[in-house]
Amino acid sequence: QKEVEQDPGPLSVPEGAIVSLNCTYSNSAFQYFMWYRQYSRKGPELLMYTYSSGNKEDGRFTAQVDKSSKYISLFIRDSQPSDSATYLCAMKGSWGKLQFGAGTQVVVTP
Amino acid sequence: GAGVSQSPRYKVTKRGQDVTLRCDPISSHATLYWYQQALGQGPEFLTYFNYEAQPDKSGLPSDRFSAERPEGSISTLTIQRTEQRDSAMYRCASSPARGSGELFFGEGSRLTVL
Repeated sequence: QKEVEQDPGPLSVPEGAIVSLNCTYSNSAFQYFMWYRQYSRKGPELLMYTYSSGNKEDGRFTAQVDKSSKYISLFIRDSQPSDSATYLCAMKGSWGKLQFGAGTQVVVTP
Repeated sequence: GAGVSQSPRYKVTKRGQDVTLRCDPISSHATLYWYQQALGQGPEFLTYFNYEAQPDKSGLPSDRFSAERPEGSISTLTIQRTEQRDSAMYRCASSPARGSGELFFGEGSRLTVL
């Protein structure tokens, strides 16, 4: 079993809808939680970065971390066709390697 | 440099040949990572460097894989005696500090082993 589990999708939503993505993890040492966005044929780019349990909001994006359940989420409000991409959760302990999920492909249709 | 640069962008080789991939990180970044990414999958950790030290190489699939960063800047990933299963995108990323989760990725090197 992988340390980070993420449903690969694809997830198809109409423009303007809320996109809901999530990951579960098994390693209690993970302290830092990130969401990366990857467009086709490009490298991943950092979207959201959280440390503690709770919510973090940045524009249309909200990241949630629930350490007690080992569960993290990303919500995208008022989704746009330009949000169509693969979203990767990632997490790490104090030092060392960043572990990625498999990525969820999101398609926002006009 | 302004961003992470990888070369070559594409490499086609025959089974059994050795290949070396190069990564030039952002100049001020201490930490450098190598990942392998199969189509439709997330990046899989291979190894990382903090300056020239290599604290973790647990993700390297076999002893055919090795990486270096001798002067704490440019890094190379070498695959000896390539096999078809080595075909993948190899991504390099750099980070300002070892504890940071903010990685800046390059465009990747796509390796195809025939």
